[in-house]
Amino acid sequence: DTGVSQDPRHKITKRGQNVTFRCDPISEHNRLYWYRQTLGQGPEFLTYFQNEAQLEKSRLLSDRFSAERPKGSFSTLEIQRTEQGDSAMYLCASSPSRGETYNEQFFGPGTRLTVL
Amino acid sequence: GNSVTQMEGPVTLSEEAFLTINCTYTATGYPSLFWYVQYPGEGLQLLLKATKADDKGSNKGFEATYRKETTSFHLEKGSVQVSDSAVYFCALTPYNQGGKLIFGQGTELSVKP
Repeated sequence: DTGVSQDPRHKITKRGQNVTFRCDPISEHNRLYWYRQTLGQGPEFLTYFQNEAQLEKSRLLSDRFSAERPKGSFSTLEIQRTEQGDSAMYLCASSPSRGETYNEQFFGPGTRLTVL
Repeated sequence: GNSVTQMEGPVTLSEEAFLTINCTYTATGYPSLFWYVQYPGEGLQLLLKATKADDKGSNKGFEATYRKETTSFHLEKGSVQVSDSAVYFCALTPYNQGGKLIFGQGTELSVKP
């Protein structure tokens, strides 16, 4: 078990470009979460999946954001037509849905997005 | 709605001092409560948790007690070390909402030798 991994770790893009991030959760975890964290703030919930089903999306997630988890394993988060306000750290976390640690989330290292 | 409020930082302490970081919450129902820690250059890690009223979570010398009557979950440690320097986040998961975390803004702790 290598923990939650995210790719890329850093992304610099120009305003208006599309970007896609990938998250690989811990293999036996069926819940996967995306958060966004800006400097000096706590992470803010964006969306979560149970297996391949996207069960909740935050109002923070505008129409330019889309997330998928097609086979219930890895997930992608795409941002279309990036804006400077999208610059943030994007965090992925996973958790089991049952068992002793069912409500504990394990976080990846994050993808830092900078929009120029 | 659901929210978490933490004391503002940065907090600067000398080694072996007593630490308290205050955390209060607003939630409907019975949330689970957490403290996460982010060491410099590292990802978020779960420090401790409590899932019902009067539960005490503890780990690495840190403790926090779930107080429903005061809606609080204050983090304490009797004797801090330089290696405890980090940002600490209080968080909750609302009852029966899929486990999403609602975080406070974080409190930066700096421990000087």
